[in-house]
This record gives sequence, structure tokens and C-alpha cells, in this order.
Amino acid sequence: NAGVTQTPKFQVLKTGQSMTLQCAQDMNHEYMSWYRQDPGMGLRLIHYSVGAGITDQGEVPNGYNVSRSTTEDFPLRLLSAAPSQTSVYFCASSTPRGLYNEQFFGPGTRLTVL
Amino acid sequence: AQTVTQSQPEMSVQEAETVTLSCTYDTSESDYYLFWYKQPPSRQMILVIRQEAYKQQNATENRFSVNFQKAAKSFSLKISDSQLGDAAMYFCAYRSVSGGGADGLTFGKGTHLIIQP
Repeated sequence: NAGVTQTPKFQVLKTGQSMTLQCAQDMNHEYMSWYRQDPGMGLRLIHYSVGAGITDQGEVPNGYNVSRSTTEDFPLRLLSAAPSQTSVYFCASSTPRGLYNEQFFGPGTRLTVL
Repeated sequence: AQTVTQSQPEMSVQEAETVTLSCTYDTSESDYYLFWYKQPPSRQMILVIRQEAYKQQNATENRFSVNFQKAAKSFSLKISDSQLGDAAMYFCAYRSVSGGGADGLTFGKGTHLIIQP
């Protein structure tokens, strides 16, 4: 199993550009989440999904869109990037059937918006 | 909403010594999970140890152990025989049991652990 994979690892955007951060998992997990990590702020939840076709907002959803058309994929879209979205982004997955509902994290994407 | 507080932005310890990282949380729930994650410079999030709130016994994983005080809402991490490879950011995290924890983890701001050789 590859676990949770994220692409790209690094990305530089200009203000106003759009892009999609990709996330995929091969563990057949129902739950998937996106977090952002800023210096001194820990990780904060952006959006999450409990299954294909079902998404919901987390703590910091503004400026981001998500969709979940398959169990495996959960892309995060920035429609018009802003410097405030410079951050490291983590995708995670879990299953309610798992012990402790443990979340498995991807390696992260470092995004810089100029 | 739950909150997690880590009051030590940075800690330093001599190699082979013991260090304790503090974490407190606020919740109105009676059952939940608590976790400590390690984040080395590679930025990969690595699960160190976990605790179920309804279990009174403190969790232990090799050199890592927790002191879970449910009434005080405290969840500290003790690292014994510190090694250079323990140097990293450490995050305390809370997860609700209700709803299967679908809405993810609530993290503290982290503690940067430095190991002095």
C-alpha cells in the first residue's frame, strides 16, 4: 500500500492563479481531510469528507473548494490564490472501523503564493 | 468546540535525559481520543502514542509514555532516555468519538524539542 499520497510536493503560485492539490489513498478509508499548517499555529482543518459525494467545512474553509467523487481521491482547489494561503497542506484519511480512528497523513505540499 | 493548548513553544534536553511535554485540552465530551504526533524536519506527521479517554491506564510505547489526568484535562508526554532522533516538533491532538471522529483532529500549536548532545 502506498498509503496517502499528495502531489505536488512543492508549488509556487502568483496571486490570483488557481490550482488543485491532489490527494489519494489506497486504504479504502471512508474519511478524508485537508489541513493547513502555518508557523506557530499547528494544523487546522480546512474541509473533510465522510464518503464519496459528501463534504463539509472545517475550521478554515474560506478560499478553498473540495469534492469527493471517489473513495480514493479528495482534491483541494484554490480558485484564486492569495498570499494568506501560503502554507503547508496535509491530506489525511481514516476509517471509523479502525482502532482509535487513527488518521494517516500524506507527506504534505508546501505552497507559496507570491 | 474543543481546544488544545501546548504551553511550551520550545523545550531543550540533554541526550539520555528525560523530558516532559505538556498538553491541556478543553472539552465537554466524556469520551474521546488523545494523540501525540511527532513532526521531524521532513514534515511527515508520525503518530507517537495514543490514549482513549475511558481508559484510566496511561499509554506506553517503548521510551514514550503519557500522564493522562482526565479530571484536570491534562495529557503530558514523557520521553525517557532522549535520543538525537527525538528532535522534532511535537503536537498534541484531540479527536472526538462521536460521529466516528469524521471531523478530524484538533491540534495544539506544537512544542519544538531540541536534544543537546
